[in-house]
Amino acid sequence: AQKVTQAQTEISVVEKEDVTLDCVYETRDTTYYLFWYKQPPSGELVFLIRRNSFDEQNEISGRYSWNFQKSTSSFNFTITASQVVDSAVYFCALSELAGGGNKLTFGTGTQLKVEL
Amino acid sequence: EAEVAQSPRYKITEKSQAVAFWCDPISGHATLYWYRQILGQGPELLVQFQDESVVDDSQLPKDRFSAERLKGVDSTLKIQPAELGDSAMYLCASSLWARETQYFGPGTRLLVL
Repeated sequence: AQKVTQAQTEISVVEKEDVTLDCVYETRDTTYYLFWYKQPPSGELVFLIRRNSFDEQNEISGRYSWNFQKSTSSFNFTITASQVVDSAVYFCALSELAGGGNKLTFGTGTQLKVEL
Repeated sequence: EAEVAQSPRYKITEKSQAVAFWCDPISGHATLYWYRQILGQGPELLVQFQDESVVDDSQLPKDRFSAERLKGVDSTLKIQPAELGDSAMYLCASSLWARETQYFGPGTRLLVL
């Protein structure tokens, strides 16, 4: 069975600090997708990134960057120069594509608190 | 920007009552998903539709939950009768096609008393 582990339950940082959110996954599939979603207090899950299992290139989008390492089954997310608006719960997820389905298996989330 | 719509946003009901949630996916999205998120946990898939057909409902408690997407557009998730353990956030998501990125609606927060 597929599994996603986010070991960090809660992280608190001061504004402008860099912060890395860890994600480790388990799967037997050779083809899969990895995702990060942001869930602010309003509750809606906001899509941040999707990464194909065959593409291990790191990606940067503004203050956000992602490090995908297949050898360690990790897909970590770094926020540079954090801001108060980054405060939210962040979920890492794995997509299971077998049988025509597109089930997302989520981790338990990391609560990020950015303080002034 | 196109969004997934859900209603109601909040629902309080008593145990044994029936409740229904509605979802309207992003226009043109063929695949629709219902997830349940218990406080402090990640969302878990309840049911996936491809157009009007169910693709995966293996985690749907079929003795009390039902879902339909009759015309392949909007969808309704029903619980009857509601139990205390059903208190959770119910999230709807849609994607252009299966294997595409899922976009989520604002969710319905259900409280069963």
